[in-house]
Amino acid sequence: SQKIEQNSEALNIQEGKTATLTCNYTNYSPAYLQWYRQDPGRGPVFLLLIRENEKEKRKERLKVTFDTTLKQSLFHITASQPADSATYLCALEGQTGANNLFFGTGTRLTVIP
Amino acid sequence: SAVISQKPSRDICQRGTSLTIQCQVDSQVTMMFWYRQQPGQSLTLIATANQGSEATYESGFVIDKFPISRPNLTFSTLTVSNMSPEDSSIYLCSVERSRDNEQFFGPGTRLTVL
Repeated sequence: SQKIEQNSEALNIQEGKTATLTCNYTNYSPAYLQWYRQDPGRGPVFLLLIRENEKEKRKERLKVTFDTTLKQSLFHITASQPADSATYLCALEGQTGANNLFFGTGTRLTVIP
Repeated sequence: SAVISQKPSRDICQRGTSLTIQCQVDSQVTMMFWYRQQPGQSLTLIATANQGSEATYESGFVIDKFPISRPNLTFSTLTVSNMSPEDSSIYLCSVERSRDNEQFFGPGTRLTVL
């Protein structure tokens, strides 16, 4: 079965710096990978989707890369702000192809003013 | 986007009882998904619910424990049966928008089993 790991459980960075989060997966080749943000007590909120034929995708201060050879995605937040503090989850499509998602373990990001 | 509501938002239940969680979407959707998020953990998919057919359960989850109904294209329920403290978790429903395969999540139901 697929396995999804995010590099660290928690990451603290200084305001204004770039946060980089890592998502690694094994055992299969998803057609796409997604990133979500989750705040305490709330459901995840979709941020970005990147497909297997895309190397990089950007949205405002967010950038996602997808390396299907390394089986890895990197998620960057540039010019980070305290409001970016949250848990970030990567998610891959399920192998059954039923459009369900399998989520990584999550990285709790704290941006320090 | 999709607006999703869940009821109840939280509940405290006794061991051995059952709780039914409702999920309402503001528009018609084909697929609805039910997830569980245990304390400090990520989301685990329980089942996929399509209208008019039996739900499809993931490994480790069975219909007797988590029966699901999907009576129409805007509503679904998940029942947590014969609860034990190990069922204490947040239960979330979600729907997919096929345009970008993104999923929209409800606010979750926080369940505590004593």
